[in-house]
Amino acid sequence: EIVMTQSPATLSVSPGERATLSCRASQSVGSNLAWYQQKPGQAPRLLIYGASTRATGFPARFSGSGSGTEFTLTISSLQSEDFAVYYCQQYYNWPPGTFGQGTKVENK
Amino acid sequence: EVVLVESGGGLVKPGGSLRLSCAASGFIFSNYNMNWVRQAPGKGLEWVSYISSTSRYIHYRDSVKGRFTISRDNAKNSLYLQMDSLRAEDTAVYYCARDYQIVAAVYDSWGQGTLVTVSS
Repeated sequence: EIVMTQSPATLSVSPGERATLSCRASQSVGSNLAWYQQKPGQAPRLLIYGASTRATGFPARFSGSGSGTEFTLTISSLQSEDFAVYYCQQYYNWPPGTFGQGTKVENK
Repeated sequence: EVVLVESGGGLVKPGGSLRLSCAASGFIFSNYNMNWVRQAPGKGLEWVSYISSTSRYIHYRDSVKGRFTISRDNAKNSLYLQMDSLRAEDTAVYYCARDYQIVAAVYDSWGQGTLVTVSS
């Protein structure tokens, strides 16, 4: 099973600042990497797939990059509605499609 | 609008059973592969089970194999998860999640979840 490791566990960012979240895979997953956003009490929402393709409904301030084992989710100018937990997920080796443990983006 | 509504969660003793349901609307259910994904309290996400659109292909994570059974009824636009021999570690919110048609094993729509608590 491929292990996904996200860092940091918590990221404290002020509105308007840039947020950079990392996700590392225990072996190469190519570009088979998705990101999800989850707000408190809500279900996750698909944010990015194919490592860099934004899903419907998310603005351009969200971007994904990377391939192989190292991936990054960048929020260029954080808005108040972006405070949430973000999960990466590999779907290269499935089943199971494994998730990272999440990065919580909180207001600094 | 895609809507997925889970039901059937609750409190059950270790060794007990529950059947979860997911009612789908707003899309052609029979065209989509479906999944169950769970989240233990305060923890991350964990894929549980998959069923293809015609029920031909079914997969489970190792820890639930032999205990959980996924099924669907395309005529009723419904997905199910029969959970037997429940353990404390099965305690979680269970989400039904639709497979993204463009990219398999990516989940583009989720229900609001139903909480399963396994405790004596």
